[in-house]
Amino acid sequence: NAGVTQTPKFQVLKTGQSMTLQCAQDMNHEYMSWYRQDPGMGLRLIHYSVGAGITDQGEVPNGYNVSRSTTEDFPLRLLSAAPSQTSVYFCASSWDRGPREQYFGPGTRLTVT
Amino acid sequence: KNEVEQSPQNLTAQEGEFITINCSYSVGISALHWLQQHPGGGIVSLFMLSSGKKKHGRLIATINIQEKHSSLHITASHPRDSAVYICAVSSPGGGADGLTFGKGTHLIIQP
Repeated sequence: NAGVTQTPKFQVLKTGQSMTLQCAQDMNHEYMSWYRQDPGMGLRLIHYSVGAGITDQGEVPNGYNVSRSTTEDFPLRLLSAAPSQTSVYFCASSWDRGPREQYFGPGTRLTVT
Repeated sequence: KNEVEQSPQNLTAQEGEFITINCSYSVGISALHWLQQHPGGGIVSLFMLSSGKKKHGRLIATINIQEKHSSLHITASHPRDSAVYICAVSSPGGGADGLTFGKGTHLIIQP
């Protein structure tokens, strides 16, 4: 199993540009989530999904959209990038919505200039 | 919202030393996670526990539910243990609203 994969690993955007961060898992996990990691702060939840077709907002959802058309994929869309979205983004998955072991992707380092 | 505090924030030790990293949280949880993040690297789950103690190799994790406190111990530390160790908690309602993370403990083990 590849586990949780994320692309790209690095990305530089100009303010106002849009892009999609890709996340996929091959473990048939129902629960998937996106976090951002900023210096001096713990990871913060952006959006999550408890199954295909079901998504919900986390702690810091503004400026981001998600969709979950399949169990495997959970892309994160930046609609109009802002410098405040410069961060490292991690996708994670687990078996279901209960307290389960979390599997993280390798991360995407995004810089918005 | 749960508040998760880790201590120390930074720790430098010599190879072979016994290491302890602490985590406290403010409200009841369903599980506590210890995670490891190497510089520039991804995040790996070390332990998930809801009571008692777990051991894996040189790593030991304990939790005291009544005191809302957990510790991660590393015995016979080695330079390859150098990493950021992150404590995270799952809410009692389940993982639907994700994990709440501490800010991490940056550990450096010198040869």
